[in-house]
Amino acid sequence: AQSVTQPDIHITVSEGASLELRCNYSYGATPYLFWYVQSPGQGLQLLLKYFSGDTLVQGIKGFEAEFKRSQSSFNLRKPSVHWSDAAEYFCAVGVPSYDKVIFGPGTSLSVIP
Amino acid sequence: EAQVTQNPRYLITVTGKKLTVTCSQNMNHEYMSWYRQDPGLGLRQIYYSMNVEVTDKGDVPEGYKVSRKEKRNFPLILESPSPNQTSLYFCASSLRSQETQYFGPGTRLLVL
Repeated sequence: AQSVTQPDIHITVSEGASLELRCNYSYGATPYLFWYVQSPGQGLQLLLKYFSGDTLVQGIKGFEAEFKRSQSSFNLRKPSVHWSDAAEYFCAVGVPSYDKVIFGPGTSLSVIP
Repeated sequence: EAQVTQNPRYLITVTGKKLTVTCSQNMNHEYMSWYRQDPGLGLRQIYYSMNVEVTDKGDVPEGYKVSRKEKRNFPLILESPSPNQTSLYFCASSLRSQETQYFGPGTRLLVL
């Protein structure tokens, strides 16, 4: 069965430090891949997505993610974290043959001033 | 403004009292979906709809109903709510099933 794992439940980083959030998926073919962010009390907003082509994708708010087929991973990165980046981050996988998107459990990010 | 709206935003009810959470989108999207969010479990899909009059079960459909009579509306119905349905609910829409989803602000439900 298809699944998405985010190994880190909670991460704390200092403002200005770099960030990497991990995402691994289980799916036979190349899926569609998404990262969403949920700020406190808000709905989810798309950060970036990968459908095909260049495996390094740029998103909003200075985020980027790299698709690595050999590792079944789609890790999210940001070179310098801002206090406003504190939020919950969800990796999601689109499964075309099933008309659905599967979300990971989320990683909660705290930013220390 | 393109958006997904949900009502109510907060709801406290008692076991067995039927309730409906409304969802509406103004983007002419074909695909709509309901999720519930619980700590440590992420978002789990309850039901989805590919288009008007086309609905299907997601991963956790038990205890819920939906309907899609109009393209813009996708209400979630709890015929007989139970405490294990206490959760944060999100409605989402997208042009097609694999496209970017646009989420509503969420409905926080407490069933006593």
